[in-house]
Amino acid sequence: GAGVSQSPSNKVTEKGKDVELRCDPISGHTALYWYRQRLGQGLEFLIYFQGNSAPDKSGLPSDRFSAERTGESVSTLTIQRTQQEDSAVYLCASSFRTGEVYGYTFGSGTRLTVV
Amino acid sequence: AQSVTQPDIHITVSEGASLELRCNYSYGATPYLFWYVQSPGQGLQLLLKYFSGDTLVQGIKGFEAEFKRSQSSFNLRKPSVHWSDAAEYFCAAYTGTASKLTFGTGTRLQVTL
Repeated sequence: GAGVSQSPSNKVTEKGKDVELRCDPISGHTALYWYRQRLGQGLEFLIYFQGNSAPDKSGLPSDRFSAERTGESVSTLTIQRTQQEDSAVYLCASSFRTGEVYGYTFGSGTRLTVV
Repeated sequence: AQSVTQPDIHITVSEGASLELRCNYSYGATPYLFWYVQSPGQGLQLLLKYFSGDTLVQGIKGFEAEFKRSQSSFNLRKPSVHWSDAAEYFCAAYTGTASKLTFGTGTRLQVTL
């Protein structure tokens, strides 16, 4: 598509439930990133996919967080047993190769609220 | 540790006034540097980027940034701010070893009429 698409745009969930967040990157972008943005804070790196290479999971805050990507297409970020501190905007970005020249294109994010 | 610092959390300027948003980086080598803008409820939009060469880079929406190696800074400027510039601004740095952008904590810009 023309841009990075994220769904849902908003998600309210009860504490302890699992949630899945989806990201559709720009066609042809081999690199895909997930960031978390807590209220009033900067962007916190979560995970990075590059083509068929093993993902860089170094930013995942706990084992409740996981992400998958099929080839160079859609990615899903899953949060299990959600906690209130998981409330944040989850941003997805994609780039051609590793983004060093082109920068990233961001989606509008999924606002997750855990009640 | 590699980091990006934006010392100003919140800045208020009058419409038509000049603007400078500060960004400092801490890296062993000069990273690639970026400025992004985030309007309310929106994703981040790339304003400009610096890789090498001319230390003054021009971006979209009338923004420019100057790279100063001696100060490890990459400050964003605009000569005359418009009310539509009110948003959150993020400085970011990229190095090949990390393969991902590291963001500062952002500066929220408020524009008064």
